[in-house]
Amino acid sequence: DTGVSQNPRHKITKRGQNVTFRCDPISEHNRLYWYRQTLGQGPEFLTYFQNEAQLEKSRLLSDRFSAERPKGSFSTLEIQRTEQGDSAMYLCASTQSGIADTQYFGPGTRLTVL
Amino acid sequence: EDQVTQSPEALRLQEGESSSLNCSYTVSGLRGLFWYRQDPGKGPEFLFTLYSAGEEKEKERLKATLTKKESFLHITAPKPEDSATYLCAVRSNTGNQFYFGTGTSLTVIP
Repeated sequence: DTGVSQNPRHKITKRGQNVTFRCDPISEHNRLYWYRQTLGQGPEFLTYFQNEAQLEKSRLLSDRFSAERPKGSFSTLEIQRTEQGDSAMYLCASTQSGIADTQYFGPGTRLTVL
Repeated sequence: EDQVTQSPEALRLQEGESSSLNCSYTVSGLRGLFWYRQDPGKGPEFLFTLYSAGEEKEKERLKATLTKKESFLHITAPKPEDSATYLCAVRSNTGNQFYFGTGTSLTVIP
């Protein structure tokens, strides 16, 4: 039973560049969540998918952020025109709806915007 | 709006010194309360899910309890390897979002 995986684990970019992160959920899980976490804070909800449908987005998610989950499997989170304030840990979690609803997290992608 | 408040922000314990972490929540109908452990630079690791007041769950030196307003994570005779940040999250019956607290940073001194 493999857990949630995320790639890359670390990303350093210059301000203004675009970055894309990938998340591979636990295979039988139909729901996938993206979170952002900064130092000393808990994970902050960004968006979630049920299968391939993006059902909810945080008000905090600017139009520079976009997420996809083609075919209901892996998901990508893209940040366009990165800003220094985007520096954070980006976490992905998956769950099987209707069964405990417990989320299982990946190791995260640490983004540093210079 | 659903809210989660954790206290204390930080806790230092001597090895073997038992204590409790608090998670107070406000939610419009609780669907579940979740405890996670997070080590520096890593993703949260699932510990417990609690669904209704009066429920308790245990795992090794950890025991989680739930009331209608709060949850406690009791740590009995902690060891240095229990040092981590412990996060609490809730999900309401009316939505699909999970709301996290800011965590309690636990340090266990040998």
